[in-house]
Amino acid sequence: AQKVTQAQTEISVVEKEDVTLDCVYETRDTTYYLFWYKQPPSGELVFLIRRNSFDEQNEISGRYSWNFQKSTSSFNFTITASQVVDSAVYFCALSESGTSGSRLTFGEGTQLTVNP
Amino acid sequence: GAGVSQTPSNKVTEKGKYVELRCDPISGHTALYWYRQSLGQGPEFLIYFQGTGAADDSGLPNDRFFAVRPEGSVSTLKIQRTERGDSAVYLCASSFSGGSTDTQYFGPGTRLTVL
Repeated sequence: AQKVTQAQTEISVVEKEDVTLDCVYETRDTTYYLFWYKQPPSGELVFLIRRNSFDEQNEISGRYSWNFQKSTSSFNFTITASQVVDSAVYFCALSESGTSGSRLTFGEGTQLTVNP
Repeated sequence: GAGVSQTPSNKVTEKGKYVELRCDPISGHTALYWYRQSLGQGPEFLIYFQGTGAADDSGLPNDRFFAVRPEGSVSTLKIQRTERGDSAVYLCASSFSGGSTDTQYFGPGTRLTVL
C-alpha cells in the first residue's frame, strides 16, 4: 500500500527566511508520480508541481524548488525568501501507475505560517 | 477558463437526513474524483469516475454513500442517513483523461456539518 508522511505538522518562520517542507513516501511501484499542493485559508487545493519517478532532476520555479531523491524516498519542497502570502497548508501526494485512474494518496499536510 | 465548481459551499444538516453535494468539473475533463477531508487531515479518496461510470469506488466508507455522473460531466455525491462523523469538507477534482500522469484540479469544496 502506498503511504505519504509529512512529519512536520506545523512550521513557523519569519518573512525572508528559507523553509523546507519534508515529504517521505512509500510505494511498491517502480512507476509513480509525486505532487505538491498548496491549501490557503480559502480551502481550495492549488496544484504546484508533478514529478514522475523516472525524473530525479531537481526543479526550480521562482522561489520554489523541489528535491526528489529516490534513494531516500523523499520529495522535499523548499521556499526561498518566504513571504506572508506563502502561509498555507502544504500537501505532498502520490499516485501510482496502473491503479484505476490516478487516485492520490495525500500526506497529513504541513501548516506553514510566515510571520512579518 | 472556469475551474472546478462545487455547490453548496456549506451545508448544515441534522443527523439522519439525506444530502446531495454537486460538482461541476472543468469542461472537457473526462475524469472526476471525490475526496473527503477531515479537520487537520489530508484529503482521502472516495470515488473516481471515468466518463459516466464509477471506475473505482473503493474509498466510499459504507453504503450510505453513493455518487453518480449520469452525463459524464456534473457529479452528485449523495449521503443517506447522515451521521455526525460524516462532517468534513468534501472535495471534488477533475483531470483531463484520468491517466496516472494527469494533474487533478480541485474545487473549493463543500463543508458538511452534521448536527
